[in-house]
Amino acid sequence: AQSVTQPDIHITVSEGASLELRCNYSYGATPYLFWYVQSPGQGLQLLLKYFSGDTLVQGIKGFEAEFKRSQSSFNLRKPSVHWSDAAEYFCAVGPSGSARQLTFGSGTQLTVLP
Amino acid sequence: DGGITQSPKYLFRKEGQNVTLSCEQNLNHDAMYWYRQDPGQGLRLIYYSQIVNDFQKGDIAEGYSVSREKKESFPLTVTSAQKNPTAFYLCASSISKNSGANVLTFGAGSRLTVL
Repeated sequence: AQSVTQPDIHITVSEGASLELRCNYSYGATPYLFWYVQSPGQGLQLLLKYFSGDTLVQGIKGFEAEFKRSQSSFNLRKPSVHWSDAAEYFCAVGPSGSARQLTFGSGTQLTVLP
Repeated sequence: DGGITQSPKYLFRKEGQNVTLSCEQNLNHDAMYWYRQDPGQGLRLIYYSQIVNDFQKGDIAEGYSVSREKKESFPLTVTSAQKNPTAFYLCASSISKNSGANVLTFGAGSRLTVL
């Protein structure tokens, strides 16, 4: 069965510092991988996705993620965090063809200190 | 702008009452989904629909019902049979085929509280 683990429930960084959010997955075939962001009381917004090709994926809001097959990881990074990045971040994995089989991680809450 | 509209944003219900959450999209997406979100548990799929007049149970469908009479609309009813209905409910949609079929667009959510 496929699964996603986000080891960090809560991360706190200072504004301007770099950020890395961890995501480890278990999937039997080539995975489709996603990062979504959720502001308080809002829906999820797609930050970036990996289907194939270049393992370093660029997304919106200055985020990037790197797919490492050997480590079953898809970590999200940002060189310099802004206060507006404070939110909850979800990693997801699944096959092509349908969102029905997407599995979401339990999320990482990001706090940004001034 | 295209998007998904969920209403109401907040809803309070007494035990034993059914409630219906609205979800409307103008993205011309074929597929629509309902997720439940609880703190620390990520998203869990309740129901999904790939085409009009057809829908399938997700992982936690017990105590919920849906309909898909129009492409744009996918309402969710939380019935009195749902044992723990207090949660944040998210509606989403996607195209139905090709590489974008697993890319979800979400509504802003509805928070249901049972008193």
